[in-house]
Amino acid sequence: SQQGEEDPQALSIQEGENATMNCSYKTSINNLQWYRQNSGRGLVHLILIRSNEREKHSGRLRVTLDTSKKSSSLLITASRAADTASYFCASVGEYGNKLVFGAGTILRVKS
Amino acid sequence: DTEVTQTPKHLVMGMTNKKSLKCEQHMGHRAMYWYKQKAKKPPELMFVYSYEKLSINESVPSRFSPECPNSSLLNLHLHALQPEDSALYLCASSQWNSGNTIYFGEGSWLTVV
Repeated sequence: SQQGEEDPQALSIQEGENATMNCSYKTSINNLQWYRQNSGRGLVHLILIRSNEREKHSGRLRVTLDTSKKSSSLLITASRAADTASYFCASVGEYGNKLVFGAGTILRVKS
Repeated sequence: DTEVTQTPKHLVMGMTNKKSLKCEQHMGHRAMYWYKQKAKKPPELMFVYSYEKLSINESVPSRFSPECPNSSLLNLHLHALQPEDSALYLCASSQWNSGNTIYFGEGSWLTVV
């Protein structure tokens, strides 16, 4: 299987705090993408990071990629109640055409 | 405009029915995908179309039949489904392949009774 684990499985924080979610994968990748999913809704694309990149930013989001450890992290700074959702990382294999999802992290931001 | 539109949003069907899920994108994307998502689980890939040709079938049962009539449309034909097929079905598209950003629709909730 291409995809590894995400941790934590669930995270509960106060509004204004930072949230960090981690993702691991098993095989060499072309890219890794992070998504947000509100309950019962579709997936919203957050960031794509390529295998030759180490860090990307988008607004309050920061994604890092460590290909030597086959891991990535998503940091949400100054969290808001509206950030409450499930967050998934998904990887594309080096030679493949498949986006494979990790188990996801459920984030709850309390106001 | 990064929009993938799926219809219907909700579908209830009997095990002997034939129905279809539809997906449309007008971003000029040449790769389209079907994913299935059960409650509290991550999406699982079902099919990939590349330039209107089926390129990946993840050993999906034949009661699910995909169709790509043109570069903007993707259908999923459903026949003789089982209650365990009840799930959220997500359509997605990307510019050429999975090396590009993949955009998802809101999904179609399917209940098989």
